[in-house]
Amino acid sequence: DGGITQSPKYLFRKEGQNVTLSCEQNLNHDAMYWYRQDPGQGLRLIYYSQIVNDFQKGDIAEGYSVSREKKESFPLTVTSAQKNPTAFYLCASSIGEGTDTQYFGPGTRLTVL
Amino acid sequence: GQNIDQPTEMTATEGAIVQINCTYQTSGFNGLFWYQQHAGEAPTFLSYNVLDGLEEKGRFSSFLSRSKGYSYLLLKELQMKDSASYLCAVRGDYKLSFGAGTTVTVRA
Repeated sequence: DGGITQSPKYLFRKEGQNVTLSCEQNLNHDAMYWYRQDPGQGLRLIYYSQIVNDFQKGDIAEGYSVSREKKESFPLTVTSAQKNPTAFYLCASSIGEGTDTQYFGPGTRLTVL
Repeated sequence: GQNIDQPTEMTATEGAIVQINCTYQTSGFNGLFWYQQHAGEAPTFLSYNVLDGLEEKGRFSSFLSRSKGYSYLLLKELQMKDSASYLCAVRGDYKLSFGAGTTVTVRA
């Protein structure tokens, strides 16, 4: 089955710890994205990558970092510098050209205690 | 900048029709998407409009007017499983911008 996977579904961390959220896709998509979703707000773009070994900051990149060493994988690290990390994190991918549709993974709900 | 507005909540009866409006102001326009999101789950793609007019897909239809910066999603013959949040998203020059979503509650 082709798709996007994110793990774990729920993640708890203590304040001050870095944490890495995984995102894997086997759709052969070039582009991958990370969004954050908070209650009452639209999805906000954190980082995106249009091709392997390249990525760009989105609207709210501060306190986050990413890597894109493989086409299939786009992990997101939430660092201790992120002031309000508790949120629902969604990864998406798309073919990568023009107005193509983005497809989302199941999400990871991160709670920082 | 991007500004996308949609109502926060709507309630309708099973079997009825509901229309969710979305207005937008964006720098550049390369298409408008509608997604459905059940609580705690991933958004799933419903429709895409890039030209003016109505796109019909089964019980769901989506309309776009680029000159008015306006779209709507029409849900017909509502079913209980349609209770979800519906997200309007506009592709500008390089990225998708999302509205906050409209929570639709279908009552028996």
